[in-house]
Amino acid sequence: ETGVTQSPTHLIKTRGQQVTLRCSSQSGHNTVSWYQQALGQGPQFIFQYYREEENGRGNFPPRFSGLQFPNYSSELNVNALELDDSALYLCASSLRGQSYEQYFGPGTRLTVT
Amino acid sequence: AQSVTQLGSHVSVSEGALVLLRCNYSSSVPPYLFWYVQYPNQGLQLLLKYTSAATLVKGINGFEAEFKKSETSFHLTKPSAHMSDAAEYFCAVSAPILTGGGNKLTFGTGTQLKVEL
Repeated sequence: ETGVTQSPTHLIKTRGQQVTLRCSSQSGHNTVSWYQQALGQGPQFIFQYYREEENGRGNFPPRFSGLQFPNYSSELNVNALELDDSALYLCASSLRGQSYEQYFGPGTRLTVT
Repeated sequence: AQSVTQLGSHVSVSEGALVLLRCNYSSSVPPYLFWYVQYPNQGLQLLLKYTSAATLVKGINGFEAEFKKSETSFHLTKPSAHMSDAAEYFCAVSAPILTGGGNKLTFGTGTQLKVEL
């Protein structure tokens, strides 16, 4: 069974730029959630994707957007990067109907300078 | 709205001593509760989960947690700490996503566990 994978591991961007983060879900899972973990904080829910559509969103502005593909992998896109976007971005996969039980990838560390 | 509160941002224990990490929850519906562990520069690993079956839940690495509805608590314990237990621990509650039908996790602020010789 393949676990959740994310790429890249680390990324450095400049304020105002755009970034795309990628996630492959665990084998058999059809739902992907994204979380932002700022330094010293717990993860915060960004949004969830199921059947290639956004299933719900946390308190994040529209410049945070995502995609889910037919193979259930997902992308997180952030436009007009701000310094406060510096964080660990975590992807979690789950099975619809059991999406309370989520399995996390290793995360992508984004630094905005 | 569902939420969790972790008491104590830092806990220090001696190797071999009891580990107790505290978590209290607030939920308008019967909660699903989780403990995750995060090692430095890594993602979150699921330690254990409560999904309304047995109130005493056993997890990996010798950890367990007890769901106490009367106290709205879900504290994490381990009888004997090991150096390898040093990490950050997060308590989380599952909440329904009202618009979409799925569930999201709401996390506490975390407890950093230090294990000393």
